[in-house]
Amino acid sequence: QQQVKQSPQSLIVQKGGISIINCAYENTAFDYFPWYQQFPGKGPALLIAIRPDVSEKKEGRFTISFNKSAKQFSLHIMDSQPGDSATYFCAASLQTGANNLFFGTGTRLTVIP
Amino acid sequence: DGGITQSPKYLFRKEGQNVTLSCEQNLNHDAMYWYRQDPGQGLRLIYYSQIVNDFQKGDIAEGYSVSREKKESFPLTVTSAQKNPTAFYLCASSPNGPNGYTFGSGTRLTVV
Repeated sequence: QQQVKQSPQSLIVQKGGISIINCAYENTAFDYFPWYQQFPGKGPALLIAIRPDVSEKKEGRFTISFNKSAKQFSLHIMDSQPGDSATYFCAASLQTGANNLFFGTGTRLTVIP
Repeated sequence: DGGITQSPKYLFRKEGQNVTLSCEQNLNHDAMYWYRQDPGQGLRLIYYSQIVNDFQKGDIAEGYSVSREKKESFPLTVTSAQKNPTAFYLCASSPNGPNGYTFGSGTRLTVV
């Protein structure tokens, strides 16, 4: 059973446009929601993360929007650049217990000049 | 620089052979993890260890084995029992819990 569902599977955006990736989760006990960025042949790297006590977190061109009642969160990349072309993973975890991260299936973003 | 080192980057093995993937970290992290990455399936947890000499099965542990004899090292053995071992394998570590999850650069295993 997929604990975190991610869409779309792939996304093509023009340079300067907004990239939006969506995730939904099932377990209401999740309390940590990170996004990871992965370039080909590399391991994922933490991009930005949010906890459920806030509805939005912004770091530079990257923003997480969080909707606790809908059990959804999304990543917005403003002014998308070709260098943003990568695979993005959302994840969710509990802060206590085993603390394992449950990952979405990934979104392959391509930003065209 | 602190980080996680996975070796080798590419690995080729014949079907039916066991193979061991190396993962070493110098971040002084307590927890270490192994994930398998396949196209369109995201990252699936194979095994994890929160402390030396202890480890737990993840979602897809069948056909794999691990050991955690040292805090810095968490090698993964892909056994001949793993029916479809060709994949990209990622090792990660964290100090305690999901915060500060750091991934290695991965090992691409191809079984022919």
